[in-house]
Amino acid sequence: SQQGEEDPQALSIQEGENATMNCSYKTSINNLQWYRQNSGRGLVHLILIRSNEREKHSGRLRVTLDTSKKSSSLLITASRAADTASYFCATDRTGANNLFFGTGTRLTVIP
Amino acid sequence: GAGVSQSPSNKVTEKGKDVELRCDPISGHTALYWYRQSLGQGLEFLIYFQGNSAPDKSGLPSDRFSAERTGGSVSTLTIQRTQQEDSAVYLCASSSMTQAGGYTFGSGTRLTVV
Repeated sequence: SQQGEEDPQALSIQEGENATMNCSYKTSINNLQWYRQNSGRGLVHLILIRSNEREKHSGRLRVTLDTSKKSSSLLITASRAADTASYFCATDRTGANNLFFGTGTRLTVIP
Repeated sequence: GAGVSQSPSNKVTEKGKDVELRCDPISGHTALYWYRQSLGQGLEFLIYFQGNSAPDKSGLPSDRFSAERTGGSVSTLTIQRTQQEDSAVYLCASSSMTQAGGYTFGSGTRLTVV
């Protein structure tokens, strides 16, 4: 498969809890990015982590990258109902022209 | 413009008809991408334009699909003789050379072939 894989496919949590989503990939990468999608429409770029970085923070988001295991995780702390969306990881593969997107994790935050 | 603009936002067409989908990227973004997303699925890469270079068409699923980018700006994706399996959301994105900020996506065109 050309796509990465996220797990879980779906996640339901209570408002205020933390949400963790994982992404695995198969090839050498330049960077890995996380996107959010509401209602099956356009994706919004959240955060980018380069292959030589191990952790990055942006507001309530924390991303880790383990290139030896070819995996990444996205942590959303203190979740809000407005965080309900689908989250996709995307890899910028060495030698490729485009990003390769995973299949997404559907997050539901219950108020 | 301030963002990536796609039109139409929704398109219903009869099987066998041709359709054209339009994308207006962010001014100054040299790279433009088309993806499609079937219901509940991930994004499938279709085609990539970078400046005046030849496009990367490696993701186009059949010869019924074609795309052009005029003047390094607006792009049109054309699907000829549409089939029901072409029904999907077609997403356009643009980015700068560095891709430091990732892609900026449009809101997509939801194509339904009946």
